[in-house]
Amino acid sequence: NAGVMQNPRHLVRRRGQEARLRCSPMKGHSHVYWYRQLPEEGLKFMVYLQKENIIDESGMPKERFSAEFPKEGPSILRIQQVVRGDSAAYFCASSTYTDTQYFGPGTRLTVL
Amino acid sequence: AQSVTQLDSQVPVFEEAPVELRCNYSSSVSVYLFWYVQYPNQGLQLLLKYLSGSTLVESINGFEAEFNKSQTSFHLRKPSVHISDTAEYFCAVSEYSFGNEKLTFGTGTRLTIIP
Repeated sequence: NAGVMQNPRHLVRRRGQEARLRCSPMKGHSHVYWYRQLPEEGLKFMVYLQKENIIDESGMPKERFSAEFPKEGPSILRIQQVVRGDSAAYFCASSTYTDTQYFGPGTRLTVL
Repeated sequence: AQSVTQLDSQVPVFEEAPVELRCNYSSSVSVYLFWYVQYPNQGLQLLLKYLSGSTLVESINGFEAEFNKSQTSFHLRKPSVHISDTAEYFCAVSEYSFGNEKLTFGTGTRLTIIP
């Protein structure tokens, strides 16, 4: 059973470009969480999704950020018009209903 | 809303010495408690968790943590550390929330083992 997959592992974007981060949950997991880790800080919750539904987006910045988890395919975290402050590691975690979250290896976004 | 405090940002320890990494939390409701470990340039791995039952929980690699409700703490301990334990350790909580187990993390403790 493969673990949580994230790609790309490293992503470099120039200011103003779009970043798309993908997360494939573990097999059988229908819950996906996204977290952001800024340099020298802990992880901060961003959004919680189930298939085709956003359950909790209380941690998402109000502008430029969006997330989806379609019926088929991976969950996508999209950042439009990136700025330097978006540089961080973005982690995805998946779980079954009310169970432990298992984390992917992360995507490290660098904005030039 | 809950919060997690890890007072020690860095802890240097000699190899084979004991270590304690402190974690205190604040919440108005009951919580689940977790310790995750992050090795350099990797994702987080679950080390151990407290959901209910015995307040002392153990991991397979010799770590243990004790839930103390009165002190709202969940300190992580190991009696004898190894070089391979060098990593960043994160304490996290989630509230009893039917169907939404989002985690609130502390800022992490960087454990450095000195040979």
